[in-house]
Amino acid sequence: EVQLVESGGGLVQPGGSLRLTCATSGFIFSDHYMDWVRQAPGKGLEWVGRGKSKVERYTTEYAASVKGRFIVSRDESKNSLYLQMNSLKSEDTAVYYCARGLNSFDFWGLGTMVTVSS
Amino acid sequence: DIQMTQSPSSLSASVGDKVTITCRASQDIRNSLAWFQQKPGRAPKSLIYGASSLQNGVPSKFSGSRSGTDFTLTINCLQPEDFATYYCQQYDTYPFTFGQGTKLEIK
Repeated sequence: EVQLVESGGGLVQPGGSLRLTCATSGFIFSDHYMDWVRQAPGKGLEWVGRGKSKVERYTTEYAASVKGRFIVSRDESKNSLYLQMNSLKSEDTAVYYCARGLNSFDFWGLGTMVTVSS
Repeated sequence: DIQMTQSPSSLSASVGDKVTITCRASQDIRNSLAWFQQKPGRAPKSLIYGASSLQNGVPSKFSGSRSGTDFTLTINCLQPEDFATYYCQQYDTYPFTFGQGTKLEIK
């Protein structure tokens, strides 16, 4: 059974940093693209970034709104995906979901809330 | 960036009805279009990918179609559990983009 479990969310001040983790199980992690998608309170879905598979040498893609501030990485030994978030802004406040990037996003985690506020 | 224009933004329907939600892409995205269902406080759930292919376990009452850059999600015989918000999403070109969502409410 495919499982994705996010952790690491919380309250952080503007300009601060936070690292989210997505622990996965139930599939061959290295074979799959993995994505981060976020949803601000009461708003729609926004794709954040992607960590590509082993075949594509684990390269990354980002939304313009986070490029240069956020970093997607993977640890194949732990079957985990990470999102390092730096220089956080109030507009980064959202629930952050990780998703498996097969046929768009076929499986999603439950999400972790990030609040950027002083 | 590719813009995804979804309509309507909200929709009222009754149990047993058939409804259609439309999504228009600002440029050709081939068949790289997915539909998601989201209920309040829950993670999105994948319904359709490749414009018309059902994800495993999704009932056949859901269907998708494409005509050029216009995409449609049809839901037959609405049941109480189908009332939710629906999103389209293109995954043809980075950055991936979503429609603004359609909130389907019980009439």
